[in-house]
Amino acid sequence: DVKVTQSSRYLVKRTGEKVFLECVQDMDHENMFWYRQDPGLGLRLIYFSYDVKMKEKGDIPEGYSVSREKKERFSLILESASTNQTSMYLCASSLFPGGTQYFGPGTRLLVL
Amino acid sequence: AQSVAQPEDQVNVAEGNPLTVKCTYSVSGNPYLFWYVQYPNRGLQFLLKYITGDNLVKGSYGFEAEFNKSQTSFHLKKPSALVSDSALYFCAVNGGATNKLIFGTGTLLAVQP
Repeated sequence: DVKVTQSSRYLVKRTGEKVFLECVQDMDHENMFWYRQDPGLGLRLIYFSYDVKMKEKGDIPEGYSVSREKKERFSLILESASTNQTSMYLCASSLFPGGTQYFGPGTRLLVL
Repeated sequence: AQSVAQPEDQVNVAEGNPLTVKCTYSVSGNPYLFWYVQYPNRGLQFLLKYITGDNLVKGSYGFEAEFNKSQTSFHLKKPSALVSDSALYFCAVNGGATNKLIFGTGTLLAVQP
């Protein structure tokens, strides 16, 4: 079975802090994704990556950056956290870009 | 542009009754369609997908979905609902010029005992 893990289940940060969310997958998938989930808005794609060191903006990249130095690891960075970034963050991976995505358990981030 | 719509925010059904969670989509090419389920404070779990072939797709936990090209729909169904099916369900589509999955806003399924 595909396993996608995220470094934290719950995180509380202060406005202006730099925040790192880590995601690791164990299935040698090329493609990895970061979403945020908000009530009534569903899942919105922040960034995705098709390969190591490769990244592409999703639908809502503002205020975020990503890093993919190794195939199995995809990090989401909030450069300067703001209260409107309080959300549930979900990482996913897939064998090919439009295929089945497998999700991690999510990180619920609260920015005070 | 690709889009997917889940017209019902919530579906209520009694245990033992059949359930349907609706999804319609809009893509420019042949669609790949997916259903995911999310239990409270969890990530999304893959339920089933349609790529090609038989319009009726069977998935995990007794769920199935019917692809209807003329109505551009992919409704999720189960013949007999369980209380444990209560969760948030997401439909997703891939197709057209982009390889990204587009997710619907989700439908909360509440199964009453």
